[in-house]
Amino acid sequence: DVVMTQSPLSLPVTLGQPASISCRSSHSLVYSDGSTLLNWFQQRPGQSPRRLIYKVSNRDSGVPDRFSGSGSGTDFTLRISRVEAEDVGVYYCIQGSHWPFTFGQGTKLEIK
Amino acid sequence: EVQLEESGGGLVQPGGSLRLSCSASGFTISRHSMHWVRQAPGKGLEYVSAIHYDGRNTYYADFVQGRFTISRDISKNTLYLQMSSLRVEDTAVYFCVQVSEGGYGLWGQGTTVTVSS
Repeated sequence: DVVMTQSPLSLPVTLGQPASISCRSSHSLVYSDGSTLLNWFQQRPGQSPRRLIYKVSNRDSGVPDRFSGSGSGTDFTLRISRVEAEDVGVYYCIQGSHWPFTFGQGTKLEIK
Repeated sequence: EVQLEESGGGLVQPGGSLRLSCSASGFTISRHSMHWVRQAPGKGLEYVSAIHYDGRNTYYADFVQGRFTISRDISKNTLYLQMSSLRVEDTAVYFCVQVSEGGYGLWGQGTTVTVSS
């Protein structure tokens, strides 16, 4: 299985400051059709996960533009330009290029 | 509104069985691959099982070891997970998830399974 490694696992951030989460895969995530199936999810406390980003850099409907994704191959990054209180939660990267889909360990974002 | 709603969780003794249901609305499950993903208390996310959009192929995580069966009823637009020989380590919130855009597009709110004597 493809191993997804996130860092950091804990991310204390001051309100209004930027934040960045890294995700590395053990295999290239370039799919057979040329796309790269790397997704980012947010899980707020007590809620189910919600996708923020699909195919590396595409925001899902309703996702604030302060969230952005980038990367290629095996290295990917989720950036939050200015952290708000509602961003508290755990962030996961998930790959869909190889079977089975696999998850990063999660990065817990908290407000300093 | 597009949504998934799971049901069927509960408390069961080790070795027991449960059937989870996931009712979909706002879209047709036969047009999407559908997965079950679980999250043990305080832990991360873990893939459990999947059914291809054509319904012909099903897949299971290694730890399932023939204990779970995924199925769907197109007429009811509902996904199922029949779980048997349950173990304490199967205790988790089970999410029903729609695959779209190469990943997990839509999640249900989850249903809690507790395996304990």
